[in-house]
Amino acid sequence: EPEVTQTPSHQVTQMGQEVILRCVPISNHLYFYWYRQILGQKVEFLVSFYNNEISEKSEIFDDQFSVERPDGSNFTLKIRSTKLEDSAMYFCASSTSVNSGELFFGEGSRLTVL
Amino acid sequence: AQTVTQSQPEMSVQEAETVTLSCTYDTSESDYYLFWYKQPPSRQMILVIRQEAYKQQNATENRFSVNFQKAAKSFSLKISDSQLGDAAMYFCAYRSARGGADGLTFGKGTHLIIQP
Repeated sequence: EPEVTQTPSHQVTQMGQEVILRCVPISNHLYFYWYRQILGQKVEFLVSFYNNEISEKSEIFDDQFSVERPDGSNFTLKIRSTKLEDSAMYFCASSTSVNSGELFFGEGSRLTVL
Repeated sequence: AQTVTQSQPEMSVQEAETVTLSCTYDTSESDYYLFWYKQPPSRQMILVIRQEAYKQQNATENRFSVNFQKAAKSFSLKISDSQLGDAAMYFCAYRSARGGADGLTFGKGTHLIIQP
């Protein structure tokens, strides 16, 4: 069964460093998403991406964040200069057409900022 | 903006018993999707069940069923014959049907404990 894959599963970084989280969505999906889950809190929407551009973004997704689909298969989330409060699980998800409703999630990447 | 509320941070049930997890939501839209996702310790969120708002019939998936009350904006999940493998965080989620770029709005989750 096709699935969304994410790398790395866990990354530890120093505050101020750049981090890139990678995702390979399901191949025939058209919409891509990043979500964040701070430990013990709910899953929060960061950004959605369609047709090689951002469709929607939340207030959390400030200038320190960026997304791109560099090669038609990978979907990346970059945090330019990490802060302590960026420590969280980051989930990538993808979906097909607007009528499907369902999002398929990856296993997440745990980011720890020291 | 839509909001999703799960008022039960934690629920506990004996194995083989039935448990109901509560979820309410707030929206001004008439067409939308509702979901229950399960997040086991392995972290990946797995879809348990989905409901289209235009459908009056409650969705069922084997031991999982929902009680969808559109007027009351309520969407509870019933798990029958609970099994140890059902232990997980359960998230209720809302998605607008107006376009695929809209993501999911999640509730805070309910931690389900299964007592052997």
